[in-house]
Amino acid sequence: GNSVTQMEGPVTLSEEAFLTINCTYTATGYPSLFWYVQYPGEGLQLLLKATKADDKGSNKGFEATYRKETTSFHLEKGSVQVSDSAVYFCALNSAGAGSYQLTFGKGTKLSVIP
Amino acid sequence: GAGVSQSPRYKVAKRGQDVALRCDPISGHVSLFWYQQALGQGPEFLTYFQNEAQLDKSGLPSDRFFAERPEGSVSTLKIQRTQQEDSAVYLCASSEDSLRSNQPQHFGDGTRLSIL
Repeated sequence: GNSVTQMEGPVTLSEEAFLTINCTYTATGYPSLFWYVQYPGEGLQLLLKATKADDKGSNKGFEATYRKETTSFHLEKGSVQVSDSAVYFCALNSAGAGSYQLTFGKGTKLSVIP
Repeated sequence: GAGVSQSPRYKVAKRGQDVALRCDPISGHVSLFWYQQALGQGPEFLTYFQNEAQLDKSGLPSDRFFAERPEGSVSTLKIQRTQQEDSAVYLCASSEDSLRSNQPQHFGDGTRLSIL
């Protein structure tokens, strides 16, 4: 079956530091890959996505590249801000799965300190 | 804005009571999903609707869980004879048409259910 593994948190960084959150996956078929973000007290928001190998998703300074050879979709940002403090979820859905449900990782909590 | 709306935002119930959670998807969205998110975990799939048809309910943890979407818009997740292990955040998501796999799902803020 499908599964997503994320690096465990929490991750604490100083403002303007470089961020990497690792994500690897196992899936049948040709999955689409997503990063969702959950700010305190709010629902999940789509941050970025990639639908095929070598695609790069980007949004709000965050980037992730779909690497089929390493089955990875690591999230990066060059300079984090306090407002980036949130929980980040890597997720996939698989074209062969029928209902296109999302399979999520456990989430990585990021805290950015001034 | 016209996002996914869930109600109530918080629900406290005694063990053994029945509860009903409501989801209003984005207008015109064909696909609707329910997920359960335990504390400190990622969301886990419960069930999926395409219009009014429930096409996948493989994630429902027991026959105490029941979902419906009778007119292809608003959906209700019902839990009968609640147990403490049902305590979680229940998330609803909708998308334009999830038969196209790269369609993003848009989530509501969730209902936090606490069973005493």
